[in-house]
Amino acid sequence: AQKVTQAQTEISVVEKEDVTLDCVYETRDTTYYLFWYKQPPSGELVFLIRRNSFDEQNEISGRYSWNFQKSTSSFNFTITASQVVDSAVYFCALSSSNTGKLIFGQGTTLQVKP
Amino acid sequence: DAGITQSPRHKVTETGTPVTLRCHQTENHRYMYWYRQDPGHGLRLIHYSYGVKDTDKGEVSDGYSVSRSKTEDFLLTLESATSSQTSVYFCAISESGGLGSNQPQHFGDGTRLSIL
Repeated sequence: AQKVTQAQTEISVVEKEDVTLDCVYETRDTTYYLFWYKQPPSGELVFLIRRNSFDEQNEISGRYSWNFQKSTSSFNFTITASQVVDSAVYFCALSSSNTGKLIFGQGTTLQVKP
Repeated sequence: DAGITQSPRHKVTETGTPVTLRCHQTENHRYMYWYRQDPGHGLRLIHYSYGVKDTDKGEVSDGYSVSRSKTEDFLLTLESATSSQTSVYFCAISESGGLGSNQPQHFGDGTRLSIL
């Protein structure tokens, strides 16, 4: 069975702090894809990043960075110098190469205080 | 932004009534999905479609049916709504799905459905 676990339900930080959102996944597939989505208070879901199981390179996009480690089945997301606008619910998701269906974690609510 | 429109955006109805939610896309994507979002559960797949008149069940399909008569429209129907179906419903689309899928799904703005 496939599963995505985001153990941190809520995180609160003060602006300019760095914060890491954890994501641990379970799958028996050798080929799979991992995603992060952001859901701001307005409610829409915004795609942030896609990573396939063969590419373990870390990725940086501005203040965002992602650390993919197959050895620990983790795909963690770090926001550097957090801003109030980063306040949102963040979802990690796993897609099976067999079905293409997305399995979402429960989400982590990030609150960045000024 | 992906061209996805969900309607209605908000709906309040009574237990036992039928409800239909509509998802319309202008991207000509083959795959369309319906999810529900509930606290503590993230998003869960209800049904999805891999082409006109081709649909399949997701993990929480009981009590829901879908139809896709045109590429651009994917309808979700609650035949007899129950209070447990109170939720936020999201439609998503992707260029590909199934085997070898690596394309992200893009989501509509959601429909907030309350069943009293």
